Amino acid sequence: GAVVSQHPSRVICKSGTSVKIECRSLDFQATTMFWYRQFPKQSLMLMATSNEGSKATYEQGVEKDKFLINHASLTLSTLTVTSAHPEDSSFYICSARDNRADTEAFFGQGTRLTVV
Amino acid sequence: AQSVTQPDIHITVSEGASLELRCNYSYGATPYLFWYVQSPGQGLQLLLKYFSGDTLVQGIKGFEAEFKRSQSSFNLRKPSVHWSDAAEYFCAVGIMEYGNKLVFGAGTILRVKS
Repeated sequence: GAVVSQHPSRVICKSGTSVKIECRSLDFQATTMFWYRQFPKQSLMLMATSNEGSKATYEQGVEKDKFLINHASLTLSTLTVTSAHPEDSSFYICSARDNRADTEAFFGQGTRLTVV
Repeated sequence: AQSVTQPDIHITVSEGASLELRCNYSYGATPYLFWYVQSPGQGLQLLLKYFSGDTLVQGIKGFEAEFKRSQSSFNLRKPSVHWSDAAEYFCAVGIMEYGNKLVFGAGTILRVKS
């Protein structure tokens, strides 16, 4: 089956620093990837749609300068949380849509970000 | 706007008992529907999906779901629950005109008592 690898699985950083999270499709190409955020005991909220070779599409209320998305290849999208603050602490999950079958996207294992 | 409602935040069932998790959606077109399961601190695993055709969909781990257009529902069922099924379950609708981004319900936490 299709595998999406997300790295790191956990990260702790200091306030004011930036953190990069990687999302890789290991055995398929993905023109489109999605980044979700999940607050404790809550559902997943889509932050942005990442498109290879073009700018990401952000959902309403998501600061694009705060959450930088780069999708430079068909197998890799990155989310950088810039100038992180404690309120950015959350569980971030990516998904990637297989170019050969656009009806389903496959999820990574998520990244637990803690900003201290 | 598209939305997904999971009316039950928590459900507790006895091991071996049957299970039904409710999901209602709001979407103007024919929906693509999904059920995912999430264990604590983990990502999402797809249980099953509905795109078209037979409205009763079989998934992994003995789960099934039935799409009922008239009720805008996609309830998840399992005839006999195992302790390992304890997890959080999310229903989602795929918005095809936006690259199949997913709108998730709030989730239902399933507890299994022995």
